[in-house]
Amino acid sequence: SYVLTQPPSVSVSPGQTARITCGGNNIGSKSVHWYQQKPGQAPVLVVYDDGDRPSGIPERFSGSNSGNTATLTISRVKAGDEADYYCQVWGSSSDFWVFGGGTKLTVL
Amino acid sequence: QIQLQQSGPGLVKPSQTLSLTCAISGDSVSTNSAAWNWIRQSPSRGLEWLGRTYYRSKWYNEYAVSVKSRITINPDTSKNQFSLQLNSVTPEDTAVYYCARGVGATYDAYCFDCWGQGTLVTVSS
Repeated sequence: SYVLTQPPSVSVSPGQTARITCGGNNIGSKSVHWYQQKPGQAPVLVVYDDGDRPSGIPERFSGSNSGNTATLTISRVKAGDEADYYCQVWGSSSDFWVFGGGTKLTVL
Repeated sequence: QIQLQQSGPGLVKPSQTLSLTCAISGDSVSTNSAAWNWIRQSPSRGLEWLGRTYYRSKWYNEYAVSVKSRITINPDTSKNQFSLQLNSVTPEDTAVYYCARGVGATYDAYCFDCWGQGTLVTVSS
């Protein structure tokens, strides 16, 4: 099965840049999608196809993907960005779609 | 503006059937450009895709290997909704269950752009 590895936590000060990684075997050959989940709420798609943003998502959210690591970058971090973030890819015909374990972003 | 509204019981006894419904507004369950999914989330298993139903001239279903023998997802075109049934549940099926719309031209590009509010289902006697 295809495994996605995320750091459990990332901390950043307001106004700084947060980078959340998602590791997987040759993940650069896949399309990576990212979700934001705040406590008690459903996930929200914030980046799709490595680096595109759905309508309504601020330009501060961007993504990149190469080699064995995909990265979600949040620029000029705000307190409201504090949440869990999950990556997602197509695993295989047996896995179907898989998610990373999630990263808790803390805004100091 | 698409919205998904979930309904169903929050407590199910072991060995019984978990049943949830997801009502769609702002889109059609019969659309040719999306699919309708169930995803669950638990501390032990994280986010786990369970299955989907979609219409492309006829109805199709796909299910995760982990639940394939126990799961059924059905569309209801008269009510513009879809449902989840998970049979023979155990405490390991305790989770928050979400319905979600899936979009993407290929399996690789497929992502979940709209989610229901979630339903905590506890399996306990």
